[in-house]
Amino acid sequence: DAMVIQNPRYQVTQFGKPVTLSCSQTLNHNVMYWYQQKSSQAPKLLFHYYDKDFNNEADTPDNFQSRRPNTSFCFLDIRSPGLGDTAMYLCATSRERVENTQYFGPGTRLTVL
Amino acid sequence: AQTVTQSQPEMSVQEAETVTLSCTYDTSESNYYLFWYKQPPSRQMILVIRQEAYKQQNATENRFSVNFQKAAKSFSLKISDSQLGDTAMYFCAFLAMEYGNKLVFGAGTILRVKS
Repeated sequence: DAMVIQNPRYQVTQFGKPVTLSCSQTLNHNVMYWYQQKSSQAPKLLFHYYDKDFNNEADTPDNFQSRRPNTSFCFLDIRSPGLGDTAMYLCATSRERVENTQYFGPGTRLTVL
Repeated sequence: AQTVTQSQPEMSVQEAETVTLSCTYDTSESNYYLFWYKQPPSRQMILVIRQEAYKQQNATENRFSVNFQKAAKSFSLKISDSQLGDTAMYFCAFLAMEYGNKLVFGAGTILRVKS
């Protein structure tokens, strides 16, 4: 089945130790999004790629970066995780930005110790 | 003012009964898209239903239907014949060009279905 896949599902890292989260999709969608979701809150958009065009949200910390080497894959890099970065990270895709429906992956639950 | 408001932080319903979750939004545009997403505890966010603002007919997906009132900027979700598996956080979300074509989420409503 076509879907959005995230790996790993759970990640524990040490304060300040870089971590990379992975997202892949078989939907062949043009747009890929990364969200941060803290407990019982709505997802917060960090950035998105429209094809190879990277779009950062104004309030996304510099600590968060992303790569999209091809249509199918997108990575979230957290260079120096802090305790406040403990959260669920959601990847989503949509065919286009306009008139789009976003499809979410299962998420990666990141814990920073 | 919030763009998307879900005024019910938590709701409960008995199994097999009907429940309505409310959502209001704010926009100056005439064309936009509205969504309800469901996120069960520790599980994936999935799309429940989608509504295009230019369509007058309310969207329906099996037991899920919406009451879209464009003039009132209201987009409520009705769940009929509630099932235990409907227990989840429900997010109302809005997409319009004035917000950069990015999903704007409400704060969510936790729905608990009781047996």
